[in-house]
Amino acid sequence: AQSVAQPEDQVNVAEGNPLTVKCTYSVSGNPYLFWYVQYPNRGLQFLLKYITGDNLVKGSYGFEAEFNKSQTSFHLKKPSALVSDSALYFCAVRDGDGANNLFFGTGTRLTVIP
Amino acid sequence: DAGVTQSPTHLIKTRGQQVTLRCSPISGHKSVSWYQQVLGQGPQFIFQYYEKEERGRGNFPDRFSARQFPNYSSELNVNALLLGDSALYLCASSARLGQRNQPQHFGDGTRLSIL
Repeated sequence: AQSVAQPEDQVNVAEGNPLTVKCTYSVSGNPYLFWYVQYPNRGLQFLLKYITGDNLVKGSYGFEAEFNKSQTSFHLKKPSALVSDSALYFCAVRDGDGANNLFFGTGTRLTVIP
Repeated sequence: DAGVTQSPTHLIKTRGQQVTLRCSPISGHKSVSWYQQVLGQGPQFIFQYYEKEERGRGNFPDRFSARQFPNYSSELNVNALLLGDSALYLCASSARLGQRNQPQHFGDGTRLSIL
């Protein structure tokens, strides 16, 4: 069975500092990993994905994520945080051998402090 | 091109009532999925439809049902509403079934409040 864990409910970072939002996963087959962002009263917006290949994936708005197979992690990163990055971030996994739907973590609220 | 559109944006119902939520996928997308997002939690998968057929179902009671129309739009129906059904209901579309390497594209959701 697939599962995703986001160990931090809340992450605070100063504007201009690097940010990391953590995610670990569990799947029975090859993982297909995704990060989404949710702004207040909005749906989920796709940021980036890992399917195969390079362990460092680049996405929208300057975000990137590092896939680590041995640690079963897929942490979201950004070198320099902006106040406008403040939002709710969700990690999701799709089992390569299983269903087509996404399994989401519980979300991490990122607050960038001016 | 328009993204995924959902209606209504907000809805208030009372316990025991029935509700229908609507979703129009991105033009050209044939697969629609429904998710429930309870406050403070991540979205949970309810249904997936492709070419008008149910292709996946999450762990939800039979009070939840859905269908997809020939134009690929979809409706989610919930009967005998409970307080616990209060949530943001998200619709997501993708071009085809089985494209596991492609992201799903989400609408802004319908916020359902049960009194």
